Amino acid sequence: EAQVTQNPRYLITVTGKKLTVTCSQNMNHEYMSWYRQDPGLGLRQIYYSMNVEVTDKGDVPEGYKVSRKEKRNFPLILESPSPNQTSLYFCASMGLAIGSGELFFGEGSRLTVL
Amino acid sequence: AQSVSQHNHHVILSEAASLELGCNYSYGGTVNLFWYVQYPGQHLQLLLKYFSGDPLVKGIKGFEAEFIKSKFSFNLRKPSVQWSDTAEYFCAVTDNQGGKLIFGQGTELSVKP
Repeated sequence: EAQVTQNPRYLITVTGKKLTVTCSQNMNHEYMSWYRQDPGLGLRQIYYSMNVEVTDKGDVPEGYKVSRKEKRNFPLILESPSPNQTSLYFCASMGLAIGSGELFFGEGSRLTVL
Repeated sequence: AQSVSQHNHHVILSEAASLELGCNYSYGGTVNLFWYVQYPGQHLQLLLKYFSGDPLVKGIKGFEAEFIKSKFSFNLRKPSVQWSDTAEYFCAVTDNQGGKLIFGQGTELSVKP
């Protein structure tokens, strides 16, 4: 089954404690991206990657890091989480063939930073 | 910079009413346009997309959208909504390079049975 898998789905942590949210896709997609969803603000792109070893900042990259060492994985790293990073996070992937353009989303990871 | 604006934050309709959700974007070049839907507690799913060709695009579940280039708009429509259409709807735009997908703020649709 084609899917994007995120872990953990729910996490409560404290300020400053490093954490990683993993994302894996099994569709051999070149493109992967991270978004955060906050009430009234919609989805905002954090980082995206067009292929292995290629990453770019989205609109709200501050406080986050990513890496793309393998095509299927795109982890999101919060080196020193702060309460304003409490949010719902979505990972997504997309093939870059002409006429594709559909993002496939993971189930979301709800993060609370105390 | 690209931006996407959805005019309505929350729309409440009765079943069988017609729906139109507004979406305007700002970008001078060629764009690809999308509508995504997020049902309560779920992730986003693609409703429909426009790349080129016929500006009237039909998607899943009876939804359609019309691309009006002169108005920079891509409004979503459905002739008769159902209770199961209750969800949040997001308009999104990307340029031809496909890298940065910009989402609107979302419109929450509540359909009363």
